[in-house]
Amino acid sequence: DGGITQSPKYLFRKEGQNVTLSCEQNLNHDAMYWYRQDPGQGLRLIYYSQIVNDFQKGDIAEGYSVSREKKESFPLTVTSAQKNPTAFYLCASNSGTGVQPQHFGDGTRLSIL
Amino acid sequence: GDSVTQMEGPVTLSEEAFLTINCTYTATGYPSLFWYVQYPGEGLQLLLKATKADDKGSNKGFEATYRKETTSFHLEKGSVQVSDSAVYFCALTLSNDYKLSFGAGTTVTVRA
Repeated sequence: DGGITQSPKYLFRKEGQNVTLSCEQNLNHDAMYWYRQDPGQGLRLIYYSQIVNDFQKGDIAEGYSVSREKKESFPLTVTSAQKNPTAFYLCASNSGTGVQPQHFGDGTRLSIL
Repeated sequence: GDSVTQMEGPVTLSEEAFLTINCTYTATGYPSLFWYVQYPGEGLQLLLKATKADDKGSNKGFEATYRKETTSFHLEKGSVQVSDSAVYFCALTLSNDYKLSFGAGTTVTVRA
């Protein structure tokens, strides 16, 4: 079955440590997205990529970085500069035009030790 | 900028009750509108969508009609089940934009 796989499901970070969240899709989608979800705030866009080797900042990109070296993969690094990283992170993809719905992974919950 | 406003929750209902979740939007162009559902511990799933005024999206007994005159896209279901307990998100996107703008989400709990 085609879909989006996020790993790990739970992740713990120590203060001052960078961590990388994995997102892989086998839907042959051009566009991929990272969202952050906090209670009562809906989803906020961190970064998105329309095509391999290209990506743009979303609304809350500070403290995060991404890469898009392969069409299938869009990893997100939460750096030590992100002062409040505890959240639920969701990866999504679609074919790349706005009217096409986004498909979501099951998310990674990041917590600070 | 473009934005979505949903009714605040949480909403608690008895099984077989009628559910309405209000959603209104502000957009500079002509958006496509979506309802997504999130079950506990999972990602979001597309529930239904509408791409132009007066379109009605429907799925799993849920319906929503794109009302341009009232800039609304309210979600309704005539008889809810316990399995409908979830968080529901209204969202919009413009055809020339890659980004989805989400509402804050409405938590719905259905009791047997």
